[in-house]
Amino acid sequence: AQTVTQSQPEMSVQEAETVTLSCTYDTSENNYYLFWYKQPPSRQMILVIRQEAYKQQNATENRFSVNFQKAAKSFSLKISDSQLGDTAMYFCAFMNLSSNTGKLIFGQGTTLQVKP
Amino acid sequence: NAGVMQNPRHLVRRRGQEARLRCSPMKGHSHVYWYRQLPEEGLKFMVYLQKENIIDESGMPKERFSAEFPKEGPSILRIQQVVRGDSAAYFCASSPGLGNEQFFGPGTRLTVL
Repeated sequence: AQTVTQSQPEMSVQEAETVTLSCTYDTSENNYYLFWYKQPPSRQMILVIRQEAYKQQNATENRFSVNFQKAAKSFSLKISDSQLGDTAMYFCAFMNLSSNTGKLIFGQGTTLQVKP
Repeated sequence: NAGVMQNPRHLVRRRGQEARLRCSPMKGHSHVYWYRQLPEEGLKFMVYLQKENIIDESGMPKERFSAEFPKEGPSILRIQQVVRGDSAAYFCASSPGLGNEQFFGPGTRLTVL
């Protein structure tokens, strides 16, 4: 069974600074996707970034980038130039592409507070 | 193109009553997922449906919970004889196909008194 672990329940960062959120996962599969989702106080789940396991290049979306270490099963999210609107709960998620469901397996989440 | 719609947004039930949660996927999406989020926790997969078929219900409690996605109309998550432990946010997500990005609805927050 796959598991996703986020070891930082809470993080804080000053506005305009950079912060890195950690995520590790456990799987014996080779074909999968990894995601970071943001859940602001509105509770809407918003996709931040996606990484295909077969791609060696780390995904980047504007101020958001990942450090994907496949051998170490690590998938951290870096937020550059943090903004107040980045304050939210962040979830790392895993999708096994070899299964017939495509279900997402989520970590416990990291609450990020961006301070002015 | 409207996003995933869920209703009601908030639902209050007394112990023993039934709760019906509705999810209308995005246009063109035939894959629906239901997830449950307990307070201060991550989302947990419950069930995956395609039109008229339950594909994976491995995350659904065996008793009192059921889901359907009929040919016409929204997907329904039904909880019979609710208990306080059912209080949670229930999220629906839809996708156009297996392995594609899942788009989430705003969730239904169920409170059982």
